Order: sequence, then structure tokens, then C-alpha cells
Amino acid sequence: QVQLQESGPGLVKPSQTLSLTCGVSGGSFRSGSYYWAWVRQPAGKGLEWIGHIYTTGKTDYNPSLTSRVSISVDTSDTQMSLRLSSVTAADTAVYFCARWYQSFYFHYMDVWGKGATVIVSS
Amino acid sequence: SSELTQDPAVSVALGQTVRLECQGDSLKTYSATWYQQKPGQAPLLVMFGKNQRPSGIPDRFSGSKSGITASLTITGAQAEDEAAYFCASPDNNPKHPVFGGGTQLTVL
Repeated sequence: QVQLQESGPGLVKPSQTLSLTCGVSGGSFRSGSYYWAWVRQPAGKGLEWIGHIYTTGKTDYNPSLTSRVSISVDTSDTQMSLRLSSVTAADTAVYFCARWYQSFYFHYMDVWGKGATVIVSS
Repeated sequence: SSELTQDPAVSVALGQTVRLECQGDSLKTYSATWYQQKPGQAPLLVMFGKNQRPSGIPDRFSGSKSGITASLTITGAQAEDEAAYFCASPDNNPKHPVFGGGTQLTVL
């Protein structure tokens, strides 16, 4: 059974780069026909898709964040990274990684990490 | 990008039926996916496709769609169903998922 776990600094200074890692157990980021996504949620608010990486390594990002975001998978295929540059207080949120299956008929995120809280503050 | 609109809050009496709605142009083309989220937890997939429930989701949850409105119906709501519910759909770009603002369901 695939499980995901986010990790990274809980506090980032404004203008710096937020870096988070998502580790997978019970599987690999290169196996299956899945997208591996980052989703964030400011406190008390809704969910926002940040971007994803496919098993081939192809990435796609939310147009509102594309100039600041980068997602990659390491050579072990078990660690996915999120980098978000030039952060502001608006980037304060819980960050989730999730497995996303997408086809014309179905699209769902069926495996989620527990989430990592990131606060942007000096 | 397209938007998905949900009522911010809905309440239901214990054991009664409640329908949560999600409206958006993208639903003309795509089905809605529904997630349940309890405080401090990650979202949980509860419905996708044409009324497909993941393993472990009770059959009191059902999904439907008409036009640009998708619905998640809970028949016989239980106390443990109290949560926020988010709908989701691909955007105009099918590789870009978009979420509704969420409905906070209170079970009275």
C-alpha cells in the first residue's frame, strides 16, 4: 500500500525559497500511470493545486505559480521535491503531496500525505 | 481558469438526507470528484466518476451530475460525516485540477 509523507522546514523567511520533500513507501514515483501532485491549503481555506510530475518526469504547474515553482523526483525515485521561490505570507499553508490518477472519465487523488505546515514569517 | 462553486455551509439532522452541490462550467465535460476533510487531517477521496465509491466509503454516499451541477448525497447522515467537503474537476486544461471552495457540513 502506497503511503506518502511530507517533510521540511516549518518556518521560511519572506523572499526565500520554500523546500519540501515527499517520501513514498510501498511504491515509487516512477511506477504506474500516476501523476504526483502538490496541493496546499491555507488555514481555514480551500485546496489549491500547485503542480505535479508524471511518472515520465514531465511536470505541469498552476499558472498562478509557474514562475516560482519547481517539482522534481530524485534518482532513488522515492523522494519528490517541491521548491517555491520568493515566498510571501500568502504562501503560508499546509502543503500536501498526493497521488493523482487522471483520465477523461476519472480523476482523483486517492493517496495523500498527512501534510506539512509551512509558515512564512521573518 | 474555470471555477467550482459550493455552498459554504450546510446542516443536516442526524439520520436525514443531505445533498451537497458543486457548480461549474467544467462539469459540462468532466465528472466531479469529492473529498471529505476533517479538522487536522488530509482530504479523503469519497466519490469519483459516475457515482464510484472508493473501497471503504459507506454506501450512504452517492454522486450524480446534471448539466453543470454535481451533487454528493449522503442518505442517512451520521455524526462522523460532519466534515468539509470539496469537489474537484479538471480545468479547461484537463491536466490542471481545480477545487471548489468547500462546504462545511454540520450534522445536528
